[in-house]
Order: sequence, then structure tokens, then C-alpha cells
Amino acid sequence: TQLLEQSPQFLSIQEGENLTVYCNSSSVFSSLQWYRQEPGEGPVLLVTVVTGGEVKKLKRLTFQFGDARKDSSLHITAAQPGDTGLYLCAGVGNDMRFGAGTRLTVKP
Amino acid sequence: DVKVTQSSRYLVKRTGEKVFLECVQDMDHENMFWYRQDPGLGLRLIYFSYDVKMKEKGDIPEGYSVSREKKERFSLILESASTNQTSMYLCASSYWAGWTGELFFGEGSRLTVL
Repeated sequence: TQLLEQSPQFLSIQEGENLTVYCNSSSVFSSLQWYRQEPGEGPVLLVTVVTGGEVKKLKRLTFQFGDARKDSSLHITAAQPGDTGLYLCAGVGNDMRFGAGTRLTVKP
Repeated sequence: DVKVTQSSRYLVKRTGEKVFLECVQDMDHENMFWYRQDPGLGLRLIYFSYDVKMKEKGDIPEGYSVSREKKERFSLILESASTNQTSMYLCASSYWAGWTGELFFGEGSRLTVL
């Protein structure tokens, strides 16, 4: 059973488009991490959000933690082929739980 | 630059063989982890270790064992490989106690059991 549901599972878009991916749970987390995994590589941490309602920006990526600390979203503006990868969220509480990920493909 | 190195990127083994997956980190991290990654299932924790010679079961320890004889090295052992253990195996390390810190991952070991 996945404690963290990520949607969509797959997303294929053209370069320059905007997109949002979601990470939802019925559990409350003390923090939530987002990782990106490129083909043939291990996941790499993008950001950690800690406070309910928190918004963090990393260049064209905007991360938001839900007010109740149960969900999070990642918005990418003007996607580029270099954004292609698997985006994983991980909720931190008494342990760490990963979602199944959103596989993003950005076509030139 | 921090680094987690997994000894084998690709392995093909036969059912019943013993398999060793090695992981070394150069960051003097206390915590080390073994995950398996399967499509649609995300990362599932097999075992973790928070100190030398210490180990804790994760969510799916059945069929696996681990060894941590030195701080920098964490090995995953499949005593008798089975086809349902075909997967991508990811090793990770972290500095902070507990679960709050960033995980640093290796590049993964893709195991196929025939």
C-alpha cells in the first residue's frame, strides 16, 4: 500500500509548457522531500519543505507543502528537456516513505 | 564531492545463487540504507544501519540480509536469489540521525535473476 500517491504517473509534454505534479497522503508529515532521478542515476534531492503552506522556489521549479502537511505539489514553468526524469516525493515522519513517482518527459 | 558507490551497475544471476551487492560512501555518514525500486511501487526499504554492526529491518527484509563491518561500507546479501528479486537496488547514506536528513544515493545496481 502506497502511503504517498503521486499523480500523474506519466507526463509527456513539449518544451516550454508548464506542468504541475502532485504528492498526496492521508498522513501528516513533519517534512517532505522531493527528489529527481535521471535515467541511469540515483535520486538527487531537490528540496525539503517543512512548514505547512511553505513555498520554495528553485529556478523554474516551485514546491508547495500543503497547509495540513499531508500533500505537496511541484510546478515547473517553461519545461526544458533537461527536466526529464522521475520525480519522487518522500514524506518524513517516524520514518521516510516514498511515492511511486511521476515520470516526466519533455520533448524538444 | 560526496559520493556513494555501488560496486556493480548490472548483474545477471541464476535462481539459487548467492548475490552480494556492495556499497561504499566517502562522507563519513552514520546511516546507510538499501532500497529496491520497482515500477509503480517506488522505493521500498529493505534494511538500514545507523552504526557499524547495527542493522534494522525495513519494510521488505525477507530474502535479504546485510552486513556493516565498517562505517563506510554496507553490503546487501541475497542468500538464494529468486526471480522475484529481479529489481533495481539503490544504496543511500545520510548524516543526520533519524529520518530528517537528505539521502545521498548511489547510481543503482540492476539485478536480473534468471
